[in-house]
Amino acid sequence: QKEVEQNSGPLSVPEGAIASLNCTYSDRGSQSFFWYRQYSGKSPELIMFIYSNGDKEDGRFTAQLNKASQYVSLLIRDSQPSDSATYLCAVIPTNTGNQFYFGTGTSLTVIP
Amino acid sequence: DAGVIQSPRHEVTEMGQEVTLRCKPISGHNSLFWYRQTMMRGLELLIYFNNNVPIDDSGMPEDRFSAKMPNASFSTLKIQPSEPRDSAVYFCASSVIQGNEQFFGPGTRLTVL
Repeated sequence: QKEVEQNSGPLSVPEGAIASLNCTYSDRGSQSFFWYRQYSGKSPELIMFIYSNGDKEDGRFTAQLNKASQYVSLLIRDSQPSDSATYLCAVIPTNTGNQFYFGTGTSLTVIP
Repeated sequence: DAGVIQSPRHEVTEMGQEVTLRCKPISGHNSLFWYRQTMMRGLELLIYFNNNVPIDDSGMPEDRFSAKMPNASFSTLKIQPSEPRDSAVYFCASSVIQGNEQFFGPGTRLTVL
């Protein structure tokens, strides 16, 4: 069983719309959750992290965490073509020495 | 800060050859991670170090892979002998402490013919 699961997509949204990316995890005791963005041919870069249940907003990005349902999501408001990338969810499960487990990523395309 | 530095950026080699990938973490970061990324398997953790000490190498695929961190500013990942299935992008990442956000280097694209 994979620790972290994401829909590989591709997900396509029109410019200006809200893009919703989802991630589920298997370890109920997981405490730390991260969203990375990876452009084609580039390295992953951190967008947001969230530790507590609820929403965390940063500009056009909102991370949502629901520990009871074991999912974390990323909303991108007013999507721009420059948001087109692969989005990786990372989780730190318990009893893993604080190492990250990454999902395989969701490919997002924002259509102008 | 210059960020995480990796070299070389691209490496093409023939099967059976030794390959050495290099990484310089961000100054002041105490944890260093080596990942491998492929289309099929995504981003996989190979090994990580805390304060230059290897903590978990369970992700290293087999004995052909080895990693060292002789000091706080330098790490190597070696593959000997290399095989075509080792072709992937290898990323090095560092963090202030284990469990904090990780910052990735630009990666080394390895092709083994």
